[in-house]
Amino acid sequence: NAGVTQTPKFRVLKTGQSMTLLCAQDMNHEYMYWYRQDPGMGLRLIHYSVGEGTTAKGEVPDGYNVSRLKKQNFLLGLESAAPSQTSVYFCASSTLVVDGFTDTQYFGPGTRLTVL
Amino acid sequence: RKEVEQDPGPFNVPEGATVAFNCTYSNSASQSFFWYRQDCRKEPKLLMSVYSSGNEDGRFTAQLNRASQYISLLIRDSKLSDSATYLCVVNFGNEKLTFGTGTRLTIIP
Repeated sequence: NAGVTQTPKFRVLKTGQSMTLLCAQDMNHEYMYWYRQDPGMGLRLIHYSVGEGTTAKGEVPDGYNVSRLKKQNFLLGLESAAPSQTSVYFCASSTLVVDGFTDTQYFGPGTRLTVL
Repeated sequence: RKEVEQDPGPFNVPEGATVAFNCTYSNSASQSFFWYRQDCRKEPKLLMSVYSSGNEDGRFTAQLNRASQYISLLIRDSKLSDSATYLCVVNFGNEKLTFGTGTRLTIIP
């Protein structure tokens, strides 16, 4: 099992460019998440999904879009990158426990994005 | 007030010492609790889950105090390899986890 994988690992964009980050998990998890992590800010939830075909906004969704067309994949898109989106992006997945709430989340290795 | 609060540190502790971190959370309806470890420039990884009053795993002990709404992590006989950032994580009864900003620990030889 590869667990949670992310591509690419590193990327440099110019302001206004677009890109898509791909997250894949092979654990058959229902829930998937996208976070960003900035120095001193901790992990902040961007968007998440509770199942194939569903997405929801997290704490900092502006400037990002997501799609979950297949259960194992969760895509994060930046339509017009801005320097404020320079960050480390982590994807995570988890399984449904009971009554809709989640348990342990497993993280991918991260994507380091710089927007110039 | 943040939903999950931790002392950011840094804690600089000599090898072999015992160190403890505390974490407070704001919602008394919280369902489950975790400690994650994050090494520099790496992803967070689960260290321990805390489901009842607490549990122990080798040199690590986690305790939960629901009345006072805090959890703690105790590391005994600390090793150089324990140097990392420790994240306090809480599930408030839904499909998301809320992460603290982390406590940075450095073990000094």
